[in-house]
This record gives sequence, C-alpha cells and structure tokens, in this order.
Amino acid sequence: AQSVAQPEDQVNVAEGNPLTVKCTYSVSGNPYLFWYVQYPNRGLQFLLKYITGDNLVKGSYGFEAEFNKSQTSFHLKKPSALVSDSALYFCAVRDNQAGTALIFGKGTTLSVSS
Amino acid sequence: SAVISQKPSRDICQRGTSLTIQCQVDSQVTMMFWYRQQPGQSLTLIATANQGSEATYESGFVIDKFPISRPNLTFSTLTVSNMSPEDSSIYLCSVTQGLPGANVLTFGAGSRLTVL
Repeated sequence: AQSVAQPEDQVNVAEGNPLTVKCTYSVSGNPYLFWYVQYPNRGLQFLLKYITGDNLVKGSYGFEAEFNKSQTSFHLKKPSALVSDSALYFCAVRDNQAGTALIFGKGTTLSVSS
Repeated sequence: SAVISQKPSRDICQRGTSLTIQCQVDSQVTMMFWYRQQPGQSLTLIATANQGSEATYESGFVIDKFPISRPNLTFSTLTVSNMSPEDSSIYLCSVTQGLPGANVLTFGAGSRLTVL
C-alpha cells in the first residue's frame, strides 16, 4: 500500500535561513511525488513534482526538492526562507502501478519568523 | 491549468440534514476527485467521480453517505447525507486533464462545512 510520512508537524526557521521540510514515502512500484502548499482559507497549490530523471527538481517560489530513492525521501528545500513562505505543506505520492489515487502526508506547518 | 469553482464555500448545517456541494470546472477534464480534509488533518480521498456512471469509493466511504454525480466532463456534485458533527470538514474537488499518472491535481478552494 502507498503511504507518505511527514515526520515534523511544524518547522520553524528565521527569514533568510535555509529551510527543509521532510517527506518519506512507500510504494510498491515507481513513485510520482508531489509537493503542495496550502495558505490559510485557500485551496492547495501545486509546487513541484518528481516523475523521472534529475533527482533535483525545481518548482514555484524558489522551492526545490531532492528525490532520494535509497532513502525513499523527497525533502522540500529552499535556500533562503521568506516570511511569506509560512503555510501548510503537503507531500503526496502516486504509485505508477497502483492506479489513480494521490496519497497525502499529514502536512507540515512552516513558520518563518522575521 | 483548469479553474475550479466550488459552491458553497462554507456552510453551517444542522445535524441530520444533507448538503450538496457543487464543483464546476472551466474546461473538460478527464478525472474528478473528492477529498476531505478534517480539522488539523491531511487530505483523504473520498471517491473518484466517474462521468455517466457510479463513483468509485475509497475504503471507509459509501455511496449512501456520500452520493456523487458527474453528468458531464465539467461538473460534479458531492452530497454529505444525514450529517453529524464528525462530518465537519473541508471538502475539496480536484481534477486532472489526462490520465492521473504524472499529471498534477488541481484543487478547488474547498467547501468548509460545520455541523452543529
């Protein structure tokens, strides 16, 4: 069965510092991996995805994520955090052999202080 | 990407009543899904809305509680039946253009239901 783990409920960083939001996954086939962001009272917005190819993928708003197959991880990163990055971040996985469902992690709240 | 409109955006409902949420997309989409986001929790897939046929429900969700319609390629409804306070959640419509695979899910802004 597919699953996604986001081990941290909350990540706190100071503005200008690098940030990492962790995600690990479990699938039986090859994974399609996604990061979404949810701002208060708004729907989910797509940030980036990994399908195949280069392990480092770049997405919206300066975010990037690194796919690590041996560690089954897909951590979200940004070199320099902004206060406006404060939001709820979801990692999600779809198994390329297991149909259509996109399985979400429980979410990590990112708080960037000025 | 597709633009999704959900109605209502929020509602307060009485226990035992039913509410229908509408999802309208500005372009034809291949697949439509309904998710639930309970307070402080992640998103859980309720069902896949199939055009012209019965929806495909995930484990733990049944048609009697969450009847879904999808009469065409741009519109779907989710009804939350015989509501209880445990149904208080944000309900999200999402779509893909093309088969899901590597395609990105686009989400509506959600419908926040509070059941008293």
